[in-house]
Amino acid sequence: SYELTQPPSVSVSPGQTARITCSGDALSKKYAYWYQQKSGQAPVLVIYEDSKRPSGIPERFSGSRSGTMATLTISGAQVEDEADYYCYSTDSSINHRVFGGGTKLTVL
Amino acid sequence: QVQLVESGGGVVQPGRSLRLSCAASGFTSSIYSMHWVRQAPGKGLEWVAVISYDGSNTYYADSVKGRFTISRDNSKNTLYLQMNSLRAEDTAVYYCARDPPQWMSLSGAFDIWGQGTMVTVSS
Repeated sequence: SYELTQPPSVSVSPGQTARITCSGDALSKKYAYWYQQKSGQAPVLVIYEDSKRPSGIPERFSGSRSGTMATLTISGAQVEDEADYYCYSTDSSINHRVFGGGTKLTVL
Repeated sequence: QVQLVESGGGVVQPGRSLRLSCAASGFTSSIYSMHWVRQAPGKGLEWVAVISYDGSNTYYADSVKGRFTISRDNSKNTLYLQMNSLRAEDTAVYYCARDPPQWMSLSGAFDIWGQGTMVTVSS
């Protein structure tokens, strides 16, 4: 089955750059998407098609993809960026979708 | 105001059925594919199912295939998830999410989510 692998946790100090990775074979051919989920809330899209930022998402959020790995970068992370982050993609058939296991970002 | 509102969650015994609904408002839901995504307590997101804009195509995660059925009534702007033969491991918050068509930006992304409805499977 198709899987996406993320580190369980990432920790940075305020103002530092946080990088969250996502790896999976299908990422060599398919876009990566990233969602932010704060405690008790529904997820919010922060990056789509590897590197595009939806309206309203701060510029400090950026994304990239190379080979079988996608990376979410938060430049100058802020305390309010503390959340769980999930990568997402499709399998080669586009019939199935999958989320990574999630990464808890701590900013303190 | 663009929004999705789920309903129908609750406590149900193992082996029983439950139907979730997701009401769309503030946009033309009939042009969007729609998904169900769930999240077990303290766990990550799990994609469950997708239905095409006109209901002609549906796909499921292996974990629910054969037990769950996704459907929609575009005349009522409502998405459904019929859940049969429920198991304890189906306990989760269930979210519906919108997926724009290919000719729109954000296609392939879940750009709007509902607030979720909790399903607890327990005897």
